[in-house]
Amino acid sequence: GEDVEQSLFLSVREGDSSVINCTYTDSSSTYLYWYKQEPGAGLQLLTYIFSNMDMKQDQRLTVLLNKKDKHLSLRIADTQTGDSAIYFCAERIGGSYIPTFGRGTSLIVHP
Amino acid sequence: EAQVTQNPRYLITVTGKKLTVTCSQNMNHEYMSWYRQDPGLGLRQIYYSMNVEVTDKGDVPEGYKVSRKEKRNFPLILESPSPNQTSLYFCASSIGGNEQFFGPGTRLTVL
Repeated sequence: GEDVEQSLFLSVREGDSSVINCTYTDSSSTYLYWYKQEPGAGLQLLTYIFSNMDMKQDQRLTVLLNKKDKHLSLRIADTQTGDSAIYFCAERIGGSYIPTFGRGTSLIVHP
Repeated sequence: EAQVTQNPRYLITVTGKKLTVTCSQNMNHEYMSWYRQDPGLGLRQIYYSMNVEVTDKGDVPEGYKVSRKEKRNFPLILESPSPNQTSLYFCASSIGGNEQFFGPGTRLTVL
């Protein structure tokens, strides 16, 4: 079955870039997502990428997909304290309505 | 304002006492789903619905029921709650399963 793995914690200094990594196991995954969860709130979709793309950029966010290694990353440029949150990677196979989420990476941004 | 609302936000109950968590969206979305979030496990889908009167099981449906009589509402029913259903519950809606909008969450404790 599907499995999505993420490291649990990442600590960066304000102004630096953050890179959050994710690996997945199902090569037929069609959609790959990054969500952000702030304390006490629901998940907010940041961006998603189709598996036929290698990269997607949206302002300070860059998503890179390495299909061969089944590796997905989220880069946040000029990380700010407001970026402190839990970031979830998720995958969904086309035709399925059941996404598989990773356990989340807690990003801590310190001054 | 486009949103997904859940009620109640917090609930403490006892084993075996039936409860319902309501979910409502005002975006005319066809697709709605319920997740539970547990520490160290990320999000797991309980049930989803692709339209009115169309529901299907997610990864962890045992002990839960849902109904979709109207497009905007998707209540989650626990007929006989047990302590292992203590969790943080999220409702989400979307047009086609991709850009999901999440509710603020319902923290349920079953004693």
